[in-house]
Amino acid sequence: EAGVAQSPRYKIIEKRQSVAFWCNPISGHATLYWYQQILGQGPKLLIQFQNNGVVDDSQLPKDRFSAERLKGVDSTLKIQPAKLEDSAVYLCASSSPGPDTQYFGPGTRLTVL
Amino acid sequence: SQELEQSPQSLIVQEGKNLTINCTSSKTLYGLYWYKQKYGEGLIFLMMLQKGGEEKSHEKITAKLDEKKQQSSLHITASQPSHAGIYLCGADTGNTDKLIFGTGTRLQVFP
Repeated sequence: EAGVAQSPRYKIIEKRQSVAFWCNPISGHATLYWYQQILGQGPKLLIQFQNNGVVDDSQLPKDRFSAERLKGVDSTLKIQPAKLEDSAVYLCASSSPGPDTQYFGPGTRLTVL
Repeated sequence: SQELEQSPQSLIVQEGKNLTINCTSSKTLYGLYWYKQKYGEGLIFLMMLQKGGEEKSHEKITAKLDEKKQQSSLHITASQPSHAGIYLCGADTGNTDKLIFGTGTRLQVFP
């Protein structure tokens, strides 16, 4: 069974530029999560989708971050414009609905110069 | 306020030694997940604990959940260099299935 796929693996941009990350969850997983992990910290949830609906986006900086999951399968996370403090690893995870194990992708390491 | 605390923050052990990592929650636990992460990579699921007193083992790694203390421990027996990495606990506090993560414990195992 294929795991959670993410791309790109690495991205370097200058501040004020835009960037987008892509995630394809495990087949059949209705719930998809985006986390931000700053160096030395644990992952912090940015947004949670169930199918194509948003369940929780309370910690998403909506002035610059946006995410969508239009067809309820793959998802895109965008940052526009990026700031230096956005440098982090962006992790995507998926699970079946309910209290089920979240499986993580390899992450995208973003460096903002 | 920190909802999930891990200790120690880092650990350096000699190969073959046993070690324990602790995870304590300030909120009621509905589930506790342990993950391992290599530097800059994704999280690898190790095990999930849901019931008080539950204990699970996989190869040389054992995790226990003390529901009353809102605490979990991860024990590695006879550590190997392959155990090196960052161990993260994630807590389900009953809020829309989202997980709150600790800051991680960085484990180094030297030969």
